[in-house]
Amino acid sequence: GENVEQHPSTLSVQEGDSAVIKCTYSDSASNYFPWYKQELGKRPQLIIDIRSNVGEKKDQRIAVTLNKTAKHFSLHITETQPEDSAVYFCAAIQLRWTGNQFYFGTGTSLTVIP
Amino acid sequence: EAGVTQSPTHLIKTRGQQATLRCSPISGHTSVYWYQQALGLGLQFLLWYDEGEERNRGNFPPRFSGRQFPNYSSELNVNALELEDSALYLCASSFRDRGPHEQYFGPGTRLTVT
Repeated sequence: GENVEQHPSTLSVQEGDSAVIKCTYSDSASNYFPWYKQELGKRPQLIIDIRSNVGEKKDQRIAVTLNKTAKHFSLHITETQPEDSAVYFCAAIQLRWTGNQFYFGTGTSLTVIP
Repeated sequence: EAGVTQSPTHLIKTRGQQATLRCSPISGHTSVYWYQQALGLGLQFLLWYDEGEERNRGNFPPRFSGRQFPNYSSELNVNALELEDSALYLCASSFRDRGPHEQYFGPGTRLTVT
């Protein structure tokens, strides 16, 4: 089965710096890679995603890159702000009409220091 | 528009008992997903229901089961509770053809097994 590893588990950055979170996966059948942000005491929310036929996607200060050959994908947050502090989860999903398979990373706790 | 709702918010059970958790999806959503979020283990996929049928399940023992009702609400049952079942249980819903792309999470049910 799929195995998703996420690093680092905790990350502290100064406000305005960039933050990078990396995930690796093992099953080449995974074809959809979302990232979720979960603020303390709140539900996870999808912040950006990428499909396996795309190498990079950007949405304002957030970007995701995918390297299918190496089976890793990364979340990049630029110009970090205190409100970016949260736990971020990556996921590797195998989209199938007969039944999607979901595999999540263990999360990265990001702290942005003002 | 009302979001995904879950009940109860908190549930305390003793080892060996059964727990029943409930989820109401966003109106119009036919798919319901259940996840377990245990401390330090991130999100783990439990079950996916659509149109009243179980479409897929994660790597959990059979004592984790559930069902989906005609109004698309869903119930998760955990039998013979064990201490390690203590976790936040999240429900999410989506339109079936949107899959996890537009998956909205509920606030979760915190299950504590003593």
